[in-house]
Amino acid sequence: DAKTTQPTSMDCAEGRAANLPCNHSTISGNEYVYWYRQIHSQGPQYIIHGLKNNETNEMASLIITEDRKSSTLILPHATLRDTAVYYCIVRVIGNQFYFGTGTSLTVIP
Amino acid sequence: NAGVTQTPKFQVLKTGQSMTLQCAQDMNHEYMSWYRQDPGMGLRLIHYSVGAGITDQGEVPNGYNVSRSTTEDFPLRLLSAAPSQTSVYFCASSPVDISYEQYFGPGTRLTVT
Repeated sequence: DAKTTQPTSMDCAEGRAANLPCNHSTISGNEYVYWYRQIHSQGPQYIIHGLKNNETNEMASLIITEDRKSSTLILPHATLRDTAVYYCIVRVIGNQFYFGTGTSLTVIP
Repeated sequence: NAGVTQTPKFQVLKTGQSMTLQCAQDMNHEYMSWYRQDPGMGLRLIHYSVGAGITDQGEVPNGYNVSRSTTEDFPLRLLSAAPSQTSVYFCASSPVDISYEQYFGPGTRLTVT
């Protein structure tokens, strides 16, 4: 599965949109982009995933560039409870999940 | 549904001792897996199973055994604990479908002295 690159940490003001980038320049055509987050020491939580098209659910939006070499997770109105480590994972369906070190997002009051 | 449950929540072992970390899910998920997370690092896959009777190794399998006799349970056995196995262990399950959305348990914090 392709490797991903994420910034180590980011800050976001409460109520503003949080935009978390992820680079996956070696992604292949059958690899999906997944996002998970881990709040404090809890088990990771699924957020969203996509292949080519942009996706939106009740938690977030996923924007994938046309060449699929990068993506952005958008939390539209960040709250303090969104402070967490966010993991971007690229994988082929059926293959295993490999978590990197993710982006530590701090939402500031 | 209870989701994914793990026991115990905390455990302290002496070097050389063996133990089993329990994991159970009540969502009838085919896929189950074990991860470990060391301080400041991401999760690393230890073992996984795509169904009862089928297991395979992940990224860091040495020192651990698993079995999957039922769909619901996926225990992780530490054969002879070592200080390097001090970590937080997470179990996860997911359906085998297009999303493979994984549901994680609360974790077991293991310290080996």
